[in-house]
Amino acid sequence: AQSVAQPEDQVNVAEGNPLTVKCTYSVSGNPYLFWYVQYPNRGLQFLLKYITGDNLVKGSYGFEAEFNKSQTSFHLKKPSALVSDSALYFCAVRDMGGGSQGNLIFGKGTKLSVKP
Amino acid sequence: GAVVSQHPSRVICKSGTSVKIECRSLDFQATTMFWYRQFPKQSLMLMATSNEGSKATYEQGVEKDKFLINHASLTLSTLTVTSAHPEDSSFYICSARDLRTGEYNSPLHFGNGTRLTVT
Repeated sequence: AQSVAQPEDQVNVAEGNPLTVKCTYSVSGNPYLFWYVQYPNRGLQFLLKYITGDNLVKGSYGFEAEFNKSQTSFHLKKPSALVSDSALYFCAVRDMGGGSQGNLIFGKGTKLSVKP
Repeated sequence: GAVVSQHPSRVICKSGTSVKIECRSLDFQATTMFWYRQFPKQSLMLMATSNEGSKATYEQGVEKDKFLINHASLTLSTLTVTSAHPEDSSFYICSARDLRTGEYNSPLHFGNGTRLTVT
């Protein structure tokens, strides 16, 4: 079965410091990985994805993520955090099961809090 | 970019009434839309997959007679919560897959969600 794990419920970072939000995955075959951000009472906004190619993927708002096949990880990173980055972040993997029709399987989410 | 409009954003209804939530893809066509439910501080739980012109596929444990889904066109899917009860109060989110893109390569596009409160 495919799954995604986000081991941290919350990550606290000071503004200007680098941030990392962790994600590990479990799939059979090649993974299709995504990161989304959710602000309060809003839907999810797409940040970036890894399908194939370079392990370092750059996305929206200065975020990037590094795909590591040996560690089955896809951690989200940003060199310098902003207070406005405070939100809920979801890692997701594409459901490749029969009949899934392209659905995503989400981790439980990590709340990022950036303090001034 | 691809925009999904979800309406209403917030609804309060009395127990026993029905509520309809609309999900529209504004600038693309979507043969497939997904409906999720999100509890406070939790992840998204897939409720059902909606396909244009055919019956929705419901996840295990989701009552199809309770949560009616209609995908009437390539740009509109609706979720109707019938005979709502307080335990149905939740945040409901829809997403859509662009018909033009590959099934696995492209991200899903999400609506802004609907906060349903049943009193």
